[in-house]
Amino acid sequence: AQTVTQSQPEMSVQEAETVTLSCTYDTSESDYYLFWYKQPPSRQMILVIRQEAYKQQNATENRFSVNFQKAAKSFSLKISDSQLGDAAMYFCAYKGHRDDKIIFGKGTRLHILP
Amino acid sequence: EPEVTQTPSHQVTQMGQEVILRCVPISNHLYFYWYRQILGQKVEFLVSFYNNEISEKSEIFDDQFSVERPDGSNFTLKIRSTKLEDSAMYFCASSPSSLYNEQFFGPGTRLTVL
Repeated sequence: AQTVTQSQPEMSVQEAETVTLSCTYDTSESDYYLFWYKQPPSRQMILVIRQEAYKQQNATENRFSVNFQKAAKSFSLKISDSQLGDAAMYFCAYKGHRDDKIIFGKGTRLHILP
Repeated sequence: EPEVTQTPSHQVTQMGQEVILRCVPISNHLYFYWYRQILGQKVEFLVSFYNNEISEKSEIFDDQFSVERPDGSNFTLKIRSTKLEDSAMYFCASSPSSLYNEQFFGPGTRLTVL
C-alpha cells in the first residue's frame, strides 16, 4: 500500500526567508502524481504545486518549488521569500495514475514569524 | 473563481442518529469525492463517485455510509447510524475528469457525535 510521511509536524520561518518542508512516500507504482496542498486556518485545501512522476524536471510555481527525488521517494517543498499569507497547514499527497483516491500525509503546520 | 461549498460547517448529533452532509461541487465537474480527517490523524479517502455510481471506495466506507447526487448540483454523504468514532472533519472534493489529477476541495463539515 502507498504511504506518505511528513516528519515535521510544525515549522517556523522568518518572513522573507526560505523554508523547506519534507515529504517521503512509498509506492511500487511507476506512474503517479505528487502534490502539495495548503490549508489556511478555517479555509479549504488548495493545490500549491503538482509533480508528475514521469517528469524529471522539478515543478515550480512562483515562490514555490519542489525537489523531487524519484529513486529516494522524496518530495520536498521549498517556499522562497516567505510571506505572512503562507502560514497554513501543508499536506503532501500522492495519487496513483489509475487511482481515484489521493493519499495524504499528516501535514506540517507552517508558522511565519514577522 | 468557482469553489466547492459544503453545508453545514459544523454538525452535532447524537450517537445512532442519521446525518446528511451536503456538498455543491464545481458546476462543470464530473467526479466527486468524500474524505474525512479524524482529529490529529491523516485525511483519508472514503469514496469516489462518477456517472451516478460509486467508482472506488475505501474499507472505511461500509454499509453505514451512502452517497447520492439527488439533483444536478448537490452531492451528499449520509451516515445512517452515527458512532462516536465518526466524529471527524468531512471534506468533499470534485474534479473535471479522472485524468485531471487535481481535486478541488471544499472547506469541510465538522461532525461531532455525542
